Amino acid sequence: DIQMTQSPSTLSASVGDRVTITCRASQNISSWLAWYKQKPGKAPKLLIYKASNLETGVPSRFSGSGSGTEFTLTISSLQPDDFATYYCQEYNSDYTFGQGTKLEIK
Amino acid sequence: QVQLVESGGGVVQPGRSLRLSCAASGFIFSSYGMHWVRQAPGKGLEWVALIWYDGSNKYYGDSVKGRFTVSRDNSKNTVYLQMNSLRAEDTAVYYCARDGIRVGDYWGQGTLVTVSS
Repeated sequence: DIQMTQSPSTLSASVGDRVTITCRASQNISSWLAWYKQKPGKAPKLLIYKASNLETGVPSRFSGSGSGTEFTLTISSLQPDDFATYYCQEYNSDYTFGQGTKLEIK
Repeated sequence: QVQLVESGGGVVQPGRSLRLSCAASGFIFSSYGMHWVRQAPGKGLEWVALIWYDGSNKYYGDSVKGRFTVSRDNSKNTVYLQMNSLRAEDTAVYYCARDGIRVGDYWGQGTLVTVSS
């Protein structure tokens, strides 16, 4: 089974900051990785698919990179609505999610 | 517009069964695989099951294998999750989501399942 490890688990930042979240796969998943944003009580929202492709309607301050086993989600300039929990998900084989990264206001 | 609407959640005793439904609209349902994903209270997302567009293949997470069954009726644009031998640890919000290269591009609002005596 593929394990997905996100870091950090919690991230404190301020509006305007540039932040990066990392997701590591326990084996090669090529580029089959998605990133989601979730607010409390709401369904997850797709941000990035196939590692680096921005979903339609998602602001360009979000970007994804990586392939193989190491991936990153970067938010170039944090906006108030960005404070949420972020998840990665591999869809190469097992559809495993990372444990999540909670992005908090500093 | 694409809509996914889950139903069928509720309170159920341990060991009993429950069937969830996810009604789809706004896209060609028979062309897409469909996922079930759950989230226990205060916890992260857990993938539960996937059914291919035509129902020919089904995949399950380890924690539900042998107890849960995913199915679909393309004539009704609906995917189902039959949950048997329910346990307290199955308590969660259950979401359906659309499959594809843009995996999880659409999600339902979720339905809460509580397993308790």
